[in-house]
Amino acid sequence: DAGVIQSPRHEVTEMGQEVTLRCKPISGHNSLFWYRQTMMRGLELLIYFNNNVPIDDSGMPEDRFSAKMPNASFSTLKIQPSEPRDSAVYFCASSPAAVDYNEQFFGPGTRLTVL
Amino acid sequence: DAKTTQPNSMESNEEEPVHLPCNHSTISGTDYIHWYRQLPSQGPEYVIHGLTSNVNNRMASLAIAEDRKSSTLILHRATLRDAAVYYCILRDEQSGYALNFGKGTSLLVTP
Repeated sequence: DAGVIQSPRHEVTEMGQEVTLRCKPISGHNSLFWYRQTMMRGLELLIYFNNNVPIDDSGMPEDRFSAKMPNASFSTLKIQPSEPRDSAVYFCASSPAAVDYNEQFFGPGTRLTVL
Repeated sequence: DAKTTQPNSMESNEEEPVHLPCNHSTISGTDYIHWYRQLPSQGPEYVIHGLTSNVNNRMASLAIAEDRKSSTLILHRATLRDAAVYYCILRDEQSGYALNFGKGTSLLVTP
């Protein structure tokens, strides 16, 4: 298995532009997570899907952020319009099931820079 | 969520054992203790987890105190590749889907 796949690996954009990050979870995993990592706030959960349904999006910073999971093998995180403070590394992770003893498998991340 | 406390940084020599401590004095009976690590420029990766008994896997060992208020991740022979930030995380049924990463311990391994 190729593991969790994220694209692009790096994204540089200008303030106000729309940014779309993509994630392909590990086949057979039912849960998908989007995290963001910054120096100031560390790693924080943005949103979590179970069986393609968003369960908890309380970590999404504001309405400029949206996430979708149209099928079991694909998810997107969109920022519109982007702002410099959105600059961070965004990680996608998947898990066989979101239970407290299951591990999460992380992708390599997308490094986003908003100028 | 119950909180964990870890030293900010530790240093070890290559090929020596490393003991990474974690305090979780407010742990509840149903909290699992998970350890993840993040190598430079990579996503976090699972290391090990346990509930009450000590655990071993190919990467590390997890020693859990009898009162469960602390635990220790043991790397038996540190290599340069083990240099990473190590996170000790508590997970329970209510927060089971979220990994609440703290600041972790930055491990430096020197040749």
